[in-house]
Amino acid sequence: GESVGLHLPTLSVQEGDNSIINCAYSNSASDYFIWYKQESGKGPQFIIDIRSNMDKRQGQRVTVLLNKTVKHLSLQIAATQPGDSAVYFCAENPYGGSQGNLIFGKGTKLSVKP
Amino acid sequence: EPEVTQTPSHQVTQMGQEVILRCVPISNHLYFYWYRQILGQKVEFLVSFYNNEISEKSEIFDDQFSVERPDGSNFTLKIRSTKLEDSAMYFCASRRGPSTDTQYFGPGTRLTVL
Repeated sequence: GESVGLHLPTLSVQEGDNSIINCAYSNSASDYFIWYKQESGKGPQFIIDIRSNMDKRQGQRVTVLLNKTVKHLSLQIAATQPGDSAVYFCAENPYGGSQGNLIFGKGTKLSVKP
Repeated sequence: EPEVTQTPSHQVTQMGQEVILRCVPISNHLYFYWYRQILGQKVEFLVSFYNNEISEKSEIFDDQFSVERPDGSNFTLKIRSTKLEDSAMYFCASRRGPSTDTQYFGPGTRLTVL
């Protein structure tokens, strides 16, 4: 089975609301997690990352939470804007080594209603 | 801001033909990757490359695939005899250093095999 997956394939939110996108992983050896945003026809764009020795990390309008006990990762977007509409992927580095090969989840499509 | 570039943006080829997808990673990066994304599916790791040799490769990266860094700037993916199922978006990514450094993705090449 796949190591990384997403609970919700689609998410629709009202502009200005907060969005929460969830991700489950199964590999206990993963030490690094990343959220990417992918707009239609474009490559994945880095949003935020977190190491396994942290529980929370904040960026500009985004927060990533890591719960190692239940192997769960979430991305919170504050005051969601129309420009946030995209597919969001979580990815993990399951090897704990130097190569950094990433395993991606299936993606959640976020739609922001004006 | 430095970015990964890829050419061509769209490649159409006949089944059985060879294709070469080109990437120019960010100039001071040392680790290079190819991923692919079949339409509507998740991003899948193909191969990683460091110090002029393949570091890791996935099951997808069979004998029909090869990578090369022919000079100090380009990183190429060759598919010797394309199959219909090779139709996908192919993304190049690069990373500066150790495993927790961010991987930056290019815009992708859409490969269509007829």
